[in-house]
Amino acid sequence: GAVVSQHPSWVICKSGTSVKIECRSLDFQATTMFWYRQFPKQSLMLMATSNEGSKATYEQGVEKDKFLINHASLTLSTLTVTSAHPEDSSFYICSARDMGLAGVADTQYFGPGTRLTVL
Amino acid sequence: AQSVAQPEDQVNVAEGNPLTVKCTYSVSGNPYLFWYVQYPNRGLQFLLKYITGDNLVKGSYGFEAEFNKSQTSFHLKKPSALVSDSALYFCAVRTFTGAGSYQLTFGKGTKLSVIP
Repeated sequence: GAVVSQHPSWVICKSGTSVKIECRSLDFQATTMFWYRQFPKQSLMLMATSNEGSKATYEQGVEKDKFLINHASLTLSTLTVTSAHPEDSSFYICSARDMGLAGVADTQYFGPGTRLTVL
Repeated sequence: AQSVAQPEDQVNVAEGNPLTVKCTYSVSGNPYLFWYVQYPNRGLQFLLKYITGDNLVKGSYGFEAEFNKSQTSFHLKKPSALVSDSALYFCAVRTFTGAGSYQLTFGKGTKLSVIP
């Protein structure tokens, strides 16, 4: 099946610094990628949808200036958490859409996640 | 609004017994339904999906799901549970957001524990 990688798998940073997380679709092209945040024992919360070559669409309540998303190619999207604070500590998961047959039967595949801890 | 509900926070089953993880949906139009599994500190793995066609969908690792339109359900099943099936399971529905765009809306998840 389709594979999505994420790097790094975990990161610890000091408060006030910025952290970049990469998401790559390894064996398919993804015009659309998604970024989720997951708190312990909770479901995934969609943060934003990114389309290759255009600006990301952020969900209500998600600060676009704090969570910068770039989707520069059909296989790479990045999430940068700027001026990170302890409350940004979370598990961040990316997802890429494999278009499949004419966009109807497409499936989202997920990366392994990035555990961010802000001290 | 499109949504899915997973009524059980946790399901316990003995190894070798059949397992069922429940999901009901609320959508307008034809639903596109998915099941994913998440192991600790990992991302989600795709198990199966229902778009159209046969109501019984077969997926990865021996899992299957039955689409029931009259009961608006899409329960995940496996005939014989393994200890390695212990994980968090998410049901999801494709939600159209307009202008040809769509996203997945997830249930809250069900923790499956298979007891040796």
